[in-house]
Amino acid sequence: SQTIHQWPATLVQPVGSPLSLECTVEGTSNPNLYWYRQAAGRGLQLLFYSVGIGQISSEVPQNLSASRPQDRQFILSSKKLLLSDSGFYLCAHRDFFNEQFFGPGTRLTVL
Amino acid sequence: AQSVTQLGSHVSVSEGALVLLRCNYSSSVPPYLFWYVQYPNQGLQLLLKYTTGATLVKGINGFEAEFKKSETSFHLTKPSAHMSDAAEYFCAVRGSKAAGNKLTFGGGTRVLVKP
Repeated sequence: SQTIHQWPATLVQPVGSPLSLECTVEGTSNPNLYWYRQAAGRGLQLLFYSVGIGQISSEVPQNLSASRPQDRQFILSSKKLLLSDSGFYLCAHRDFFNEQFFGPGTRLTVL
Repeated sequence: AQSVTQLGSHVSVSEGALVLLRCNYSSSVPPYLFWYVQYPNQGLQLLLKYTTGATLVKGINGFEAEFKKSETSFHLTKPSAHMSDAAEYFCAVRGSKAAGNKLTFGGGTRVLVKP
């Protein structure tokens, strides 16, 4: 079965500090991977998606970047965090039947 | 391009009452539609999906949804609410393969169940 991991589960960072969130998937190969953000009181916003190693599509201009160094690893980064980067970050992958499965999420608070 | 509108950001129902969550979509391709549930501080869990075929789809936890092409709707229902149904619910439509099969989500509806 497929499993998706995210870490850390929670993170508190000062404004201007760097960020690295990691997502890994088990039990599948060459998955489509996605990063979403939920800001307080708002729905899910797709940030990035990747169809393969080194292939990243950005959905919205922002302070964040993504990388896919390995087939089942997807990383969300920032060089300098902003207050507006606070939120709940979700990683997801798409299976053969076109369902998206979500990880447990990372709660980021920028102070 | 795709879009999803969920009518009502908050819904309050009594335990045992009907749950009805509304979702309308627009899609440039034949839609694949999904409902997800999110409990506090957790990821999203798939409730049900419509791809092709039968327009009434049944999901987990007693939920079902009906795809109505003429109304561009995919409303979610459950005949009798339980306290455990208190959560946030998201409707989503899938984009084309050329666009990475991305999901576009509605703004979510938070369900409160009153005893």
